[in-house]
Amino acid sequence: EADIYQTPRYLVIGTGKKITLECSQTMGHDKMYWYQQDPGMELHLIHYSYGVNSTEKGDLSSESTVSRIRTEHFPLTLESARPSHTSQYLCASREGWQPQHFGDGTRLSIL
Amino acid sequence: QKEVEQDPGPLSVPEGAIVSLNCTYSNSAFQYFMWYRQYSRKGPELLMYTYSSGNKEDGRFTAQVDKSSKYISLFIRDSQPSDSATYLCAMSEATSYDKVIFGPGTSLSVIP
Repeated sequence: EADIYQTPRYLVIGTGKKITLECSQTMGHDKMYWYQQDPGMELHLIHYSYGVNSTEKGDLSSESTVSRIRTEHFPLTLESARPSHTSQYLCASREGWQPQHFGDGTRLSIL
Repeated sequence: QKEVEQDPGPLSVPEGAIVSLNCTYSNSAFQYFMWYRQYSRKGPELLMYTYSSGNKEDGRFTAQVDKSSKYISLFIRDSQPSDSATYLCAMSEATSYDKVIFGPGTSLSVIP
């Protein structure tokens, strides 16, 4: 079972603030992913990484950025939060041909 | 047209019922098929995954893939109140395993 930790679990913050959502995994997985999920809607891939110093944009355009300096850590940053960024953000990882395993997400609300 | 279609429900069944959850898709290149369960305020939890066509059984859960009809199903036998959750189907091509396409999920309630 994959152990993926996301913090904070909930965040309510004002417009214009810089936000970093944390994601860490203890399994040593090379591949990590960030998804955005709105209520009743599909998960949409916004960023992924194949390993250290590798980052790629997903199919859904996002104003966020990511970094991968350490294998276990894949933070997502919003430089200036807006109400349109209100959503749930899910982090996932996988290894080899195994399916992705998810963390419990961060529910972000921008006022 | 979306690549993956899934009836959002909500679906409400009595405890002990057999539940059938379904997804249809349009991309014939999909080879990997997954089912995730998502409880409220939690992340998706992998239930089952299959490669190509056929059936796979794990306890009370059976996954079926019919590639000729572009149709996948998840059956839950002897449903329990603890099965109440949203069920997401997901699929990907063999050459684009990182690009997983998710359905919107079906909300299931199992009534005691």
